[in-house]
Amino acid sequence: GAGVSQTPSNKVTEKGKYVELRCDPISGHTALYWYRQSLGQGPEFLIYFQGTGAADDSGLPNDRFFAVRPEGSVSTLKIQRTERGDSAVYLCASSPGGLAGTDTQYFGPGTRLTVL
Amino acid sequence: GQQVMQIPQYQHVQEGEDFTTYCNSSTTLSNIQWYKQRPGGHPVFLIQLVKSGEVKKQKRLTFQFGEAKKNSSLHITATQTTDVGTYFCAGYLSSGTYKYIFGTGTRLKVLA
Repeated sequence: GAGVSQTPSNKVTEKGKYVELRCDPISGHTALYWYRQSLGQGPEFLIYFQGTGAADDSGLPNDRFFAVRPEGSVSTLKIQRTERGDSAVYLCASSPGGLAGTDTQYFGPGTRLTVL
Repeated sequence: GQQVMQIPQYQHVQEGEDFTTYCNSSTTLSNIQWYKQRPGGHPVFLIQLVKSGEVKKQKRLTFQFGEAKKNSSLHITATQTTDVGTYFCAGYLSSGTYKYIFGTGTRLKVLA
């Protein structure tokens, strides 16, 4: 079946602009994670959804970052007033959603965000 | 804050040699997962370890979880060029948080 998809694959924007990054999880997966990965680093946790609700948003770096998952499937990560330091690959992962912390995470290909 | 460190950061081996990467957490983990990321690709799940002292094998790969559940290792026997990539461990804390903390990664290069 189809894996996790993310759009766009690349996004170039100017400092101060607003961007939205989309994640389509594997059908039926109730758990969804957003990560940010900088060059040469491991993925950094941003937020975890179980269904429609954000069960843990402790990784969001500041209030410019916000994520939604209104119907429990597709999720959008929103970044306001982008800064050059936001440049990174944003990864989405979904899992079947059993007991938290016990599931395989299936990662999407990521969105490479470049802020000029 | 919680940290997960991996050593070495880089490893170059000759094809056929063995390879080991070590993962160390500053806090006790509920479980640990291992992922492989090929150059230009995304992380792909390899395995999950849950029990203290657990050892799991997948063909040439052997994974261990320490007795104190604060460290883990991945050992590859007789590396092949297809093993090239970055190996990450990801620790799950479970105490009031749902987040996985990924290690810094070990980048493996295999020379034919």
